[in-house]
Amino acid sequence: QKEVEQNSGPLSVPEGAIASLNCTYSDRGSQSFFWYRQYSGKSPELIMFIYSNGDKEDGRFTAQLNKASQYVSLLIRDSQPSDSATYLCAVMDTGRRALTFGSGTRLQVQP
Amino acid sequence: SQTIHQWPATLVQPVGSPLSLECTVEGTSNPNLYWYRQAAGRGLQLLFYSIGIGQISSEVPQNLSASRPQDRQFILSSKKLLLSDSGFYLCAWSPTGRETQYFGPGTRLLVL
Repeated sequence: QKEVEQNSGPLSVPEGAIASLNCTYSDRGSQSFFWYRQYSGKSPELIMFIYSNGDKEDGRFTAQLNKASQYVSLLIRDSQPSDSATYLCAVMDTGRRALTFGSGTRLQVQP
Repeated sequence: SQTIHQWPATLVQPVGSPLSLECTVEGTSNPNLYWYRQAAGRGLQLLFYSIGIGQISSEVPQNLSASRPQDRQFILSSKKLLLSDSGFYLCAWSPTGRETQYFGPGTRLLVL
């Protein structure tokens, strides 16, 4: 059973700080990785995806991928109270052509 | 631009009653379609996915079924609901040949 693991949190950071969200996965063959944000009671929305080792930046968000360590992370710079949500890590299972999701990390940004 | 719709938004059903949830996508053709369920405080569980009309792959054997009668329509059904079927049902789509999935607004189902 392919797994995606995330710390459930809550991760609490002060406004303006960097929030670091982490995810590990079990399938060494995985090639595509996604981060979604889910506000309470709402559906997940895509933040960004990453395919290659290293960093990928999009505005205040940076995704980091290390395939050798089977580790993917999301950094949120200058965190805002509006960033308070659950962040879901997802890994593409190429055999099934479907995403396997972690259970999410709840982020709280304190004003 | 592409839009995904789901209805109803919320549903309260008695145990043993039937279920039909509908999902439609606009602005694209031949999308991959997915049904997920999210139990309270839990992650997303993939239920079904479809790469084309009439092509359904089931992930979890249970009392749910899915159908894709039209290219951009995906339906989730049950003949008899169980208490354990309560949850947040999410439909998602991805463009043909692409992996990024986009979610609809979801249907919150409570089985009593």
